[in-house]
Amino acid sequence: GAVVSQHPSWVICKSGTSVKIECRSLDFQATTMFWYRQFPKQSLMLMATSNEGSKATYEQGVEKDKFLINHASLTLSTLTVTSAHPEDSSFYICSARAEGGETNEKLFFGSGTQLSVL
Amino acid sequence: GENVEQHPSTLSVQEGDSAVIKCTYSDSASNYFPWYKQELGKRPQLIIDIRSNVGEKKDQRIAVTLNKTAKHFSLHITETQPEDSAVYFCAASLGTKLTFGGGTRVLVKP
Repeated sequence: GAVVSQHPSWVICKSGTSVKIECRSLDFQATTMFWYRQFPKQSLMLMATSNEGSKATYEQGVEKDKFLINHASLTLSTLTVTSAHPEDSSFYICSARAEGGETNEKLFFGSGTQLSVL
Repeated sequence: GENVEQHPSTLSVQEGDSAVIKCTYSDSASNYFPWYKQELGKRPQLIIDIRSNVGEKKDQRIAVTLNKTAKHFSLHITETQPEDSAVYFCAASLGTKLTFGGGTRVLVKP
């Protein structure tokens, strides 16, 4: 199946700093990527939809100025958590849709990034 | 928007027994229903999916059923093995957006 690479796998940072997470589709082009947040023992909550070459679409309640998303190419989307605070500590995971066929093809997930803000 | 409810939240079964997880969705226009398996600290892995034009799909020990009228779908795992222990998520999709259920933690006891 399609491979989605996500880096870093874990990061510890000080409160107030910014952290960038990368999501790459390795063997396919993804015009659309998705960013999720997952708290321990909870489900995946969609934060935003990342569209190549255009602005991301954020879900209700997600601060777009805090969670900056850039999708500059068909294989790379980045999520930057700006001015991180302890409450931003979470597991962030991206996914990409392999195009082709019907409009809602299978999603493939990155390996996730565990962010801990001290 | 779409709302997906998943039950039970935890499920403990004896090795060799069957496990059933049920999900309901709210938007009748949803037309794609994948199931994901997630082991601790790892990425969700797609294990099976079903589209709204199909009522049932089977892949070895895993099967999914869909009742569009009632807006619910279920995952069935037969002959469970310890390696089936994980968290399972259902999801419903309308277009490109997936909405996930709350997850079911499955424990298969040897």
